[in-house]
Amino acid sequence: EVQLVESGGDLVQPGGSLRLSCAASGFTFSSYDMHWVRQATGKGLEWVSVIGTAGDTYYSGSVKGRFTISRENAKNSLYLQMNSLRAGDTAVYYCARARQGRPLLDYWGQGTLVTVSS
Amino acid sequence: QSVLTQPPSASGTPGQRVTISCSGSSSNIGNNYVYWYQQLPGTAPKLLIYWNNQRPSGVPDRFSGSKSGTSASLAISGLRSEDEADYYCAAWDDSLNVYVFGTGTKVTVL
Repeated sequence: EVQLVESGGDLVQPGGSLRLSCAASGFTFSSYDMHWVRQATGKGLEWVSVIGTAGDTYYSGSVKGRFTISRENAKNSLYLQMNSLRAGDTAVYYCARARQGRPLLDYWGQGTLVTVSS
Repeated sequence: QSVLTQPPSASGTPGQRVTISCSGSSSNIGNNYVYWYQQLPGTAPKLLIYWNNQRPSGVPDRFSGSKSGTSASLAISGLRSEDEADYYCAAWDDSLNVYVFGTGTKVTVL
């Protein structure tokens, strides 16, 4: 059974940093692209970033230069390093699996809440 | 700010057909596949339609997708109470090099 479990969400002050993790199981992690998607309370889905099987990365304009996506295939883990956090980054962050080269997000985690507030 | 535009709401009575539109541009819908996601209240999104009109295993054939030019549509036929959810279209945008979600449509079963 495919499982994605996010962790690391917390309350952090503006300007602070946080690292999210996504533990994957039930599939060959290294063979899939992995995405981060976020959702502010009561708002729509917002794509954040993707890392391909070869380590290629893409970011939304709103997080580029502040967030870094990475993966550790030996640990079946996906990460999102978030720096210079702003109030607008407050959201539930989901990790999702996608077929290689196709943004077909077929499995999602349950999400982890990041709150940026003083 | 999303580059894919959806109506904020849609509704119907049980058994009716509801259609949700998704309007984009040549750099996203016009040149790439469209995906649809369903998000039931309090849960993570779920893939509903991929590659414009394909259903993952387990998704009822009441759900169908189509694409024409720079627009796409999701149709729900035989509407059921459990279809009450938010629905999002999505596509890769070649100009921005990002994955874009639609603004989302809340479907209500009256």
